[in-house]
Order: sequence, then structure tokens, then C-alpha cells
Amino acid sequence: GAGVSQSPSNKVTEKGKDVELRCDPISGHTALYWYRQSLGQGLEFLIYFQGNSAPDKSGLPSDRFSAERTGGSVSTLTIQRTQQEDSAVYLCASSSQGFTYNEQFFGPGTRLTVL
Amino acid sequence: SQKIEQNSEALNIQEGKTATLTCNYTNYSPAYLQWYRQDPGRGPVFLLLIRENEKEKRKERLKVTFDTTLKQSLFHITASQPADSATYLCALGSGGSYIPTFGRGTSLIVHP
Repeated sequence: GAGVSQSPSNKVTEKGKDVELRCDPISGHTALYWYRQSLGQGLEFLIYFQGNSAPDKSGLPSDRFSAERTGGSVSTLTIQRTQQEDSAVYLCASSSQGFTYNEQFFGPGTRLTVL
Repeated sequence: SQKIEQNSEALNIQEGKTATLTCNYTNYSPAYLQWYRQDPGRGPVFLLLIRENEKEKRKERLKVTFDTTLKQSLFHITASQPADSATYLCALGSGGSYIPTFGRGTSLIVHP
């Protein structure tokens, strides 16, 4: 079956513009995560969705960041008024049923460059 | 504050040797620990999970140990191959938490 897919694979934008990053999780996976990875840094948690529950937004760095998940499947991460420090690889992962020990399946990431 | 440490320096070893990577943590009582592999330009791939009540886990050429007294996990790759060259990330999770915390990873380079 297909894995987690993300689009676009690369995005170059100008400072101040808004961007939308898309994630298609593995079919049937109820848990979905967004992370950010900067050069030489670990994965920084951003937001977590589990089924129809309210998302855990505790990792979002500012109110310029938001995410939604429609129909329990596809998710979109939106960054408004992008800043140069937003440049990073944005990774999406999904997991079945959201059990605490479940492995996460990651997508290839979207490399965002803010000029 | 919680801290996860993985060696930032790359580990260079010769093909056929055993690679040992370390994950240390402080101010943390993890219920489980995961190891992932990440290749350049790709997302991490899950390798192994070990729970707090387990001392050791094996999978093919991989072995993970978990010492909650030392607050350390060791990740071993036996009979290493150049194809094992990648960055290896550890991730720790608390009981009841769906969101593991990742270390920065250690780069492994296996020379033929």
C-alpha cells in the first residue's frame, strides 16, 4: 500500500507570504503528526491529530502556524506571513489508532525555504 | 528540563564491525524508547521499540538495550554494511503520551 505522501516536496517563498503544506496519511491511520526539522536539529513536534478529538497544538511556535485535518484523513499545515526562521523541512507522520507505543510512518517531507 | 542527548559527532566504522550508538536522557522517565533511521532527504523510518520493563530487544542485526538506572539506551548494528550508513534517531515517550520526543540523531558512516 501507499505510504505517507506530502506535497509539495520543495517550496520556495518570499518573506511575508502564506504557504500551505499538504499531508496524505496512510489509509486507516487515525493519528497524524506534524514535525519540523531544521539543519542539525532534532524533530520539533508541532501538532497532533487523533480521530475526531481536538488536536494537540502545544508545539505550534506561534499563531502564524495552523493546521487542519479534513474528514480524518488529509491534513494541511498553513504558515502565514512566513519568516526566514520558518525555513526547515516539515515532516508529517501517521500512526494507527494513536496508541502510545505505536510506530510512526513518516512522509518524505516538504523543504520550505523562505527568502 | 527534559533532555535527550545523542552524539553529534559522526561515528565512522569499518564494514563488518559492530556499530554502537548512544542515547542518553535526563529529567525524564520514559515508558518507551524508539529508534529510527533517517536517510538524506527522507523521513525517518521506524526500526525498534523497547519498553521501560525490557532490558534488551533484537531484530535481525539490530540490538537495543534500555537501562533506566543509567538513563541510557544503546543501539547496536552487528556486521555493519555500507548500506547501514544513515542518521539514527532515538525517541522517548512517557506513559500515556502519544507524542514522543526525538533526539537530534547520530550519523553513522560505514566504510567498505
